[in-house]
Amino acid sequence: GAVVSQHPSWVICKSGTSVKIECRSLDFQATTMFWYRQFPKQSLMLMATSNEGSKATYEQGVEKDKFLINHASLTLSTLTVTSAHPEDSSFYICSALGQYGNEKLFFGSGTQLSVL
Amino acid sequence: GENVEQHPSTLSVQEGDSAVIKCTYSDSASNYFPWYKQELGKRPQLIIDIRSNVGEKKDQRIAVTLNKTAKHFSLHITETQPEDSAVYFCAASKRAQKLVFGQGTRLTINP
Repeated sequence: GAVVSQHPSWVICKSGTSVKIECRSLDFQATTMFWYRQFPKQSLMLMATSNEGSKATYEQGVEKDKFLINHASLTLSTLTVTSAHPEDSSFYICSALGQYGNEKLFFGSGTQLSVL
Repeated sequence: GENVEQHPSTLSVQEGDSAVIKCTYSDSASNYFPWYKQELGKRPQLIIDIRSNVGEKKDQRIAVTLNKTAKHFSLHITETQPEDSAVYFCAASKRAQKLVFGQGTRLTINP
């Protein structure tokens, strides 16, 4: 199956700093990637849809200036949490959609962000 | 937009018994319904999926049924084992578009 790599797997940062999370599709080209956030014991909530070469589409209530998404190539999307605050602490997971519109989603391993 | 409701939120069954998790969706245009299993701190793993042109799909101990008219689909796990304990999520989408997830079901298999 397709492999999606996500780094880092966990990160601890001070309040006010920025954190970048990378999501790579290793053996396929992903035209579309999705970024989810998951709070403890809750479901996955879609934050934004990232399309290669264009601006990301954010879900309602998600601040685009706080969660910067870049999808510069067919194998890499990045999420930068800017000026992180403790309430941003969460499990962030990326997922990738195959190049030919295959609706199967392949998830990264997730990033546990803790903001002190 | 699409809304997916999942029940129950928690489910506890004896090892060897069957477990059933149900989901309903709101958008009749949705045509892809995957189920994911997520263990604590891990990524969701796709365990089975079904498309709207199929009413039932089975893979060993796991089966999914879909009722398009009623807009609901269910996950069935037979002969449950301790390693089936996890959180299960249903989801729905229109082709190649974003998935909307249900709230999740925490399944516990009691030995």
